[in-house]
Amino acid sequence: QVQLQESGPGLVRPSQTLSLTCTVSGGPVGSGDYYWSWIRQPPGKGLEWIGYIHSSGNTYYNPSLKSRVTISLDTSKVQFSLKVISMTAADTGVYSCARGIKWIDTWGHGTLVTVSS
Amino acid sequence: QSVLTQPPSVSGAPGQRVTISCTGSRSNLGAGYDVHWYQQLPGAAPKLLIYNNNYRPSGVPDRFSGSKSGTSASLAITGLQPEDEADYYCQSYDGGLSVHMVFGGGTKLTV
Repeated sequence: QVQLQESGPGLVRPSQTLSLTCTVSGGPVGSGDYYWSWIRQPPGKGLEWIGYIHSSGNTYYNPSLKSRVTISLDTSKVQFSLKVISMTAADTGVYSCARGIKWIDTWGHGTLVTVSS
Repeated sequence: QSVLTQPPSVSGAPGQRVTISCTGSRSNLGAGYDVHWYQQLPGAAPKLLIYNNNYRPSGVPDRFSGSKSGTSASLAITGLQPEDEADYYCQSYDGGLSVHMVFGGGTKLTV
């Protein structure tokens, strides 16, 4: 059974770049027709899809975040990563990695990222 | 403001039936895109409850069912149990916005 685990800093200064990694265990990331997603949830609010990368390497981003986001895949390390530039307080929330095609069938537990000076 | 609209909260007594609505538009549910539902227990990651409008993954009790018609969808829960108390989210695709995954704002179910 595939499991996902996020890792990265819990605190980011305003205007800096967030870098998160999701380690996949129990299955490859570079094969199959899966999309590897990043999703976030601000405190007390709903879910927001950030974007995903297909196992082929093609990426798709939420237009509202596209200018600041990069998702990449490292098949040798069985990981995929998220970079968000120019972080502000509005980017504070729980960031989760996930797997799915049209829907999400596997979620990581999520990691809280706080943007504060 | 979420693309898919859900009531902020619903409630029901143990054993009762409740429904949670998810209202979209012509660019998402109305365009024929499927809806999926997730349950998020307090402090936990979301869990897939219903996919492709009305299919349950293995292990999800048949107390949970989904339906979709036009620009709206619903999640029904029968025989409410205390452990059903959670947040519920609907999700679909929006062709007009080119957002591959759009979520509802979530509904808090109190049992």
